[in-house]
Amino acid sequence: DAMVIQNPRYQVTQFGKPVTLSCSQTLNHNVMYWYQQKSSQAPKLLFHYYDKDFNNEADTPDNFQSRRPNTSFCFLDIRSPGLGDAAMYLCATSRVAGANVLTFGAGSRLTVL
Amino acid sequence: DAKTTQPPSMDCAEGRAANLPCNHSTISGNEYVYWYRQIHSQGPQYIIHGLKNNETNEMASLIITEDRKSSTLILPHATLRDTAVYYCARKGGTGNQFYFGTGTSLTVIP
Repeated sequence: DAMVIQNPRYQVTQFGKPVTLSCSQTLNHNVMYWYQQKSSQAPKLLFHYYDKDFNNEADTPDNFQSRRPNTSFCFLDIRSPGLGDAAMYLCATSRVAGANVLTFGAGSRLTVL
Repeated sequence: DAKTTQPPSMDCAEGRAANLPCNHSTISGNEYVYWYRQIHSQGPQYIIHGLKNNETNEMASLIITEDRKSSTLILPHATLRDTAVYYCARKGGTGNQFYFGTGTSLTVIP
């Protein structure tokens, strides 16, 4: 089945130690998104790629970076994780046409010690 | 998205209709309204979307007010498996961004 796959599902890192989360898709969708979801809160958009064009949200900290080497893969890099960055990170994809909808992965839960 | 608000929680008896409201008073004329639900520790799942007209699919119905400032998701016969957090969302910004509302935690009671 076509889907969005995130790895790892669970990541534990130390304060300040860089971490990379990955997302792959078999849907051939143009747009890939990264959302941050803290406990009991709604998903918050960090940034998205429309093909190779990167679109950062104005309030996304510089500590968060992203790479999209090809259509299928997208990475979230957290350069120096702080305790406040502990969250579920959700990857999603969509087409670009009319009322496109988001297809989400299962998420990567980040713990910062 | 602070502009899209929902009640924090609701209960519904099993077999009854669940009506989940969303306030999106600042939505612009060409922005769709979407609904997703999220079961604990999983990614959100798409339910339904609409622009102006009411919509229905196999999962739910969506009622959008004429002024488009609010909408209601209707689960016609709630089951225990419908217990989840329900988010309304709007598509804004340059056209590809999806912003989620505050979410409603729905509990279906046996």
